[in-house]
Amino acid sequence: DGGITQSPKYLFRKEGQNVTLSCEQNLNHDAMYWYRQDPGQGLRLIYYSQIVNDFQKGDIAEGYSVSREKKESFPLTVTSAQKNPTAFYLCASSSLGQGAVEQFFGPGTRLTVL
Amino acid sequence: AQSVTQPDIHITVSEGASLELRCNYSYGATPYLFWYVQSPGQGLQLLLKYFSGDTLVQGIKGFEAEFKRSQSSFNLRKPSVHWSDAAEYFCAVGRGDDKIIFGKGTRLHILP
Repeated sequence: DGGITQSPKYLFRKEGQNVTLSCEQNLNHDAMYWYRQDPGQGLRLIYYSQIVNDFQKGDIAEGYSVSREKKESFPLTVTSAQKNPTAFYLCASSSLGQGAVEQFFGPGTRLTVL
Repeated sequence: AQSVTQPDIHITVSEGASLELRCNYSYGATPYLFWYVQSPGQGLQLLLKYFSGDTLVQGIKGFEAEFKRSQSSFNLRKPSVHWSDAAEYFCAVGRGDDKIIFGKGTRLHILP
């Protein structure tokens, strides 16, 4: 059954700690994305990757880091430098195109900083 | 710069009534347009997409959307809503580089 999995569903972190959110896809997609969602703000792009071992910053990359060592995996680390990390994080993937491709989304991870 | 505007933050309709959610976009070239739906605490699911051709697009769950270039709009419609349609709806435009810009969403409430 193809799709995107994110773990954990809920994550709690103390201030000053780094935390890594997992994203795995078995859709054989080349591109993967991380979004942050806050109430009333829509989705904002954090990082994206179109090929293994390469990734680019999105609109709000400060305080976040990613890696793309495998095609199916794109973990996101929320570092202690992120000033307001409490949010809902969504991972997505797509095939490569020229803007005419849909993105498929995982179920999300809700991160709460205590 | 590309942008997407969803003018209505919340909309409430009665079950069985018709629905129209508004979306306006700003994009210099031919847009690639999407509507996604999100249930609380869940990921986004694609309802429909417009790339080219017929300006009236049919989607899943009985939804449709009409692309109007002259009005820069891509409004989502459904003839008769069901209680299960209560969710948040996002309009989005493809940027031509595999990235998508999302609107801020419209939350749909259904009255029994």
